[in-house]
Amino acid sequence: GEDVEQSLFLSVREGDSSVINCTYTDSSSTYLYWYKQEPGAGLQLLTYIFSNMDMKQDQRLTVLLNKKDKHLSLRIADTQTGDSAIYFCAESSSNQAGTALIFGKGTTLSVSS
Amino acid sequence: GAVVSQHPSWVICKSGTSVKIECRSLDFQATTMFWYRQFPKQSLMLMATSNEGSKATYEQGVEKDKFLINHASLTLSTLTVTSAHPEDSSFYICSASGLTDTQYFGPGTRLTVL
Repeated sequence: GEDVEQSLFLSVREGDSSVINCTYTDSSSTYLYWYKQEPGAGLQLLTYIFSNMDMKQDQRLTVLLNKKDKHLSLRIADTQTGDSAIYFCAESSSNQAGTALIFGKGTTLSVSS
Repeated sequence: GAVVSQHPSWVICKSGTSVKIECRSLDFQATTMFWYRQFPKQSLMLMATSNEGSKATYEQGVEKDKFLINHASLTLSTLTVTSAHPEDSSFYICSASGLTDTQYFGPGTRLTVL
């Protein structure tokens, strides 16, 4: 079945770059997503990448996709304390009703000043 | 754009009662809505997928008689937890997608069953 794996914890200093890694299993996923969750809140869509792309950049965020290795990464440049949150990688998965998301367990990013 | 709301944000109820959670897409028509459940420090687990006007599709292990889902319009889906018990206490999050497959998430509802 589908499975998405992420490292559970990352700690960086303010101003450094953060790289969060993810591996997935469903090679038929059309899109891959990164979501951010702050404590007690819902999920905020950060960015997504279409499966035929290698890279996508959006301001401080860079997504790299290695489709051969099924590896996805999110790089946050100039990490700020406000970036502290849980980051979820997700792959799309079609079921009979629609296209659902399969989430990783989330990577807790801690940014120290 | 693409805002999804949930109501209520928090609910505390007694064991044995039923609780209804609403999920609304505020500025787009959601042909598909999803309900997820999240335990503390864990990932989101998909409970069911619902399309407007049809019955929800439940994931394996999710009791359809326990978690009633109604998607009566293109902007509203409801999840009713029937005869709630303490083990149903969790964070319930809905998401909605429209013309594209991108899902937009609501802020979640924290359910505590005493």
